Amino acid sequence: DGGITQSPKYLFRKEGQNVTLSCEQNLNHDAMYWYRQDPGQGLRLIYYSQIVNDFQKGDIAEGYSVSREKKESFPLTVTSAQKNPTAFYLCASSIGYERDLPDTQYFGPGTRLTVL
Amino acid sequence: GDSVTQMEGPVTLSEEAFLTINCTYTATGYPSLFWYVQYPGEGLQLLLKATKADDKGSNKGFEATYRKETTSFHLEKGSVQVSDSAVYFCALILRGGGKLIFGQGTELSVKP
Repeated sequence: DGGITQSPKYLFRKEGQNVTLSCEQNLNHDAMYWYRQDPGQGLRLIYYSQIVNDFQKGDIAEGYSVSREKKESFPLTVTSAQKNPTAFYLCASSIGYERDLPDTQYFGPGTRLTVL
Repeated sequence: GDSVTQMEGPVTLSEEAFLTINCTYTATGYPSLFWYVQYPGEGLQLLLKATKADDKGSNKGFEATYRKETTSFHLEKGSVQVSDSAVYFCALILRGGGKLIFGQGTELSVKP
């Protein structure tokens, strides 16, 4: 079964701690994305990666970091520098907009992060 | 800048009623348009899409037509069910661009 998995589903963090959210896809997609969703709002882009070992900042990258060492994986670290980290985090992937125009993004089930 | 505006919710309908959720956009280029649906506690699922003017996207009884002249992509369904209760997001992506630009979402509640 092809798809995008995110773990854990729920995550609790104490203030001052870094935490890493997992995102894995087996769709053979080149591009991966991280979005943040706050209650009653649309999604905002944190980081995206078009290809392994390369990534770009989105609209709200401050306080976050990512890596893309493997095509299938795009973990997101929420650092202690992120002022309001409590949110729902969604990972997405797509074939890659240089190969498939227009490009369609497919989403994982999300991770809900709560800072205590 | 590029943006998407959706009608505000929540929208409450009775089962079998007709649904319209308005979506308009502003884009500097030629966008592709999407509707995503989010059920409580879950991620987003692609509902339908349209990639050029006058295209009609359709899925599960939902339809939306890409209207370039009015910069709109309204979502419609002829007869809603209780199971359609969810939040619906309109979004656009520009050709060659990686970022989806979302509206704020419209919550739909269907009562039996």
